[in-house]
Amino acid sequence: EDKVVQSPLSLVVHEGDTVTLNCSYEVTNFRSLLWYKQEKKAPTFLFMLTSSGIEKKSGRLSSILDKKELSSILNITATQTGDSAIYLCAPFEGGKLIFGQGTELSVKP
Amino acid sequence: SAVISQKPSRDICQRGTSLTIQCQVDSQVTMMFWYRQQPGQSLTLIATANQGSEATYESGFVIDKFPISRPNLTFSTLTVSNMSPEDSSIYLCSVLPTGTSGNTIYFGEGSWLTVV
Repeated sequence: EDKVVQSPLSLVVHEGDTVTLNCSYEVTNFRSLLWYKQEKKAPTFLFMLTSSGIEKKSGRLSSILDKKELSSILNITATQTGDSAIYLCAPFEGGKLIFGQGTELSVKP
Repeated sequence: SAVISQKPSRDICQRGTSLTIQCQVDSQVTMMFWYRQQPGQSLTLIATANQGSEATYESGFVIDKFPISRPNLTFSTLTVSNMSPEDSSIYLCSVLPTGTSGNTIYFGEGSWLTVV
């Protein structure tokens, strides 16, 4: 059975801290892995990763995939209160996304 | 990317009734999906909406409870039938745009249903 595990489940940090969110997956027909940020309702797209070892960056956020270890990390540097959200990872497998349970990040002023 | 509009954004429904959620995309898309997110939970795929044919349902979801239509490449509906309080969730439409290099899937704003 396909499985996606994110850790930690929740995290509380202060502004300026750096955080690393983890995602491990077991899927049968892996094609890519996507990261999303969910604040209120709809998840908003952050990154799509297809190749191992190639870091993708967008401002203070970056992400990398390790296909050998079946995992990915999402880094956020110099966190801000606006980064408070649930971060979801989802491998794209067999034509659909399989979501992890998410990491709830809370950034305190 | 794609601009996805969902209606209604929020509704309170009576037990035993049915509600249809609409999803309109501003461009033709290859695939459309319907997800459910129950309170405090992650997203679960209900079904893939297929244009011109029956939707493909995931394990645990059936057509009688969640009938889906997709009459063209930019529009789909999800009906939640004979609702119970357990159906209180956010329902999300998502799309894989045509011509996307990769598998980037975008989400609508969601429809928050509360069943009383």
